[in-house]
Amino acid sequence: GNSVTQMEGPVTLSEEAFLTINCTYTATGYPSLFWYVQYPGEGLQLLLKATKADDKGSNKGFEATYRKETTSFHLEKGSVQVSDSAVYFCALSDRGGGNKLTFGTGTQLKVEL
Amino acid sequence: ETGVTQSPTHLIKTRGQQVTLRCSSQSGHNTVSWYQQALGQGPQFIFQYYREEENGRGNFPPRFSGLQFPNYSSELNVNALELDDSALYLCASSPPRSGITYEQYFGPGTRLTVT
Repeated sequence: GNSVTQMEGPVTLSEEAFLTINCTYTATGYPSLFWYVQYPGEGLQLLLKATKADDKGSNKGFEATYRKETTSFHLEKGSVQVSDSAVYFCALSDRGGGNKLTFGTGTQLKVEL
Repeated sequence: ETGVTQSPTHLIKTRGQQVTLRCSSQSGHNTVSWYQQALGQGPQFIFQYYREEENGRGNFPPRFSGLQFPNYSSELNVNALELDDSALYLCASSPPRSGITYEQYFGPGTRLTVT
């Protein structure tokens, strides 16, 4: 079956530091890949997506590249802000699986001044 | 444009009781999915509704059931509540199927506590 593995948190960074959150996946087909963000007490917000190999998703300074050869979709940001503190979820959608999302366990990011 | 809304925000129930959670999909979206998010975990897929019919189900027992209405809103019903059902229940809607990416847009969730 499909699965997503994320690095464990919490990840604590100083403001303006570089961020990487690792994500690898297992899927039987050719999934679409997503990063969602969850702020405290809220639902999930779509951060970025990529639908095929070598696609780069980007939004709000965050980027992730769909690497089929390493089955990875690592999230990066060059300079984090305190407002980026949240839980980040990597997810995949296998079109053959009826468009359900399979999520990782989430990585909490804390950004300090 | 109104996003996905869910009601109620919070709910406390007793073990063995039944609960109904409601979701209004984003305007123009005809597919609704439900997820359960236990504390500290990623969301787990419960089921999806498309054109008022169940269109895929995760590993949840039959006491989890749902409905979708002609206006694409949806309900999640859970019978015989157990303590482990305590979680954040998330509803997500998707636009009509076109292209290869079916993005899902989430509501704020309903926090269910079973005592």
